[in-house]
Amino acid sequence: DTGVSQNPRHKITKRGQNVTFRCDPISEHNRLYWYRQTLGQGPEFLTYFQNEAQLEKSRLLSDRFSAERPKGSFSTLEIQRTEQGDSAMYLCASSPGTGVRYGYTFGSGTRLTVV
Amino acid sequence: TQLLEQSPQFLSIQEGENLTVYCNSSSVFSSLQWYRQEPGEGPVLLVTVVTGGEVKKLKRLTFQFGDARKDSSLHITAAQPGDTGLYLCAGAEYGNKLVFGAGTILRVKS
Repeated sequence: DTGVSQNPRHKITKRGQNVTFRCDPISEHNRLYWYRQTLGQGPEFLTYFQNEAQLEKSRLLSDRFSAERPKGSFSTLEIQRTEQGDSAMYLCASSPGTGVRYGYTFGSGTRLTVV
Repeated sequence: TQLLEQSPQFLSIQEGENLTVYCNSSSVFSSLQWYRQEPGEGPVLLVTVVTGGEVKKLKRLTFQFGDARKDSSLHITAAQPGDTGLYLCAGAEYGNKLVFGAGTILRVKS
């Protein structure tokens, strides 16, 4: 397994357009997380899945954001009607369990620029 | 949501110097992790500390978890240019979701 894969690496879109990002976690990891990171800040939690179930969604996530993880494998994050404030790095991570000893394995992220 | 404060925000030092980065919270965490991130890449896990007072060493890096599990420190001995990056601490809330600090940008000049 080569780690967590995110596509695309970069996305430039016009304000008002919809965008979708994909994350392929490490295959044996049952937890998958989405974070957003802006310049000079640490990653902010957006949502996470255990297998196919979405267990928590941040209050930061407006109704324009939706995430899915069909069949507990890959996940997609969709942003509808993008705004300039959505410009950020979107990071996906996976972990093998719920214990506190498990660290996250992050992907390289998708850099979104809304113009 | 529990908050983590990191200090300093930015550190620029010469190769060979020692440094310490701090991570503080008013809340107790079940575990605390340190990550290093390079520009344009995702964070990479360095260490996880679980027990209050725990000290872990990773070559020239020493990590300590406070006795009350509210704070942590990262000490680097004889810093090298390859240590340059963004250092993030992250606390695990019960349920395994991580909360990240804003990070410390370290630049080591040769």
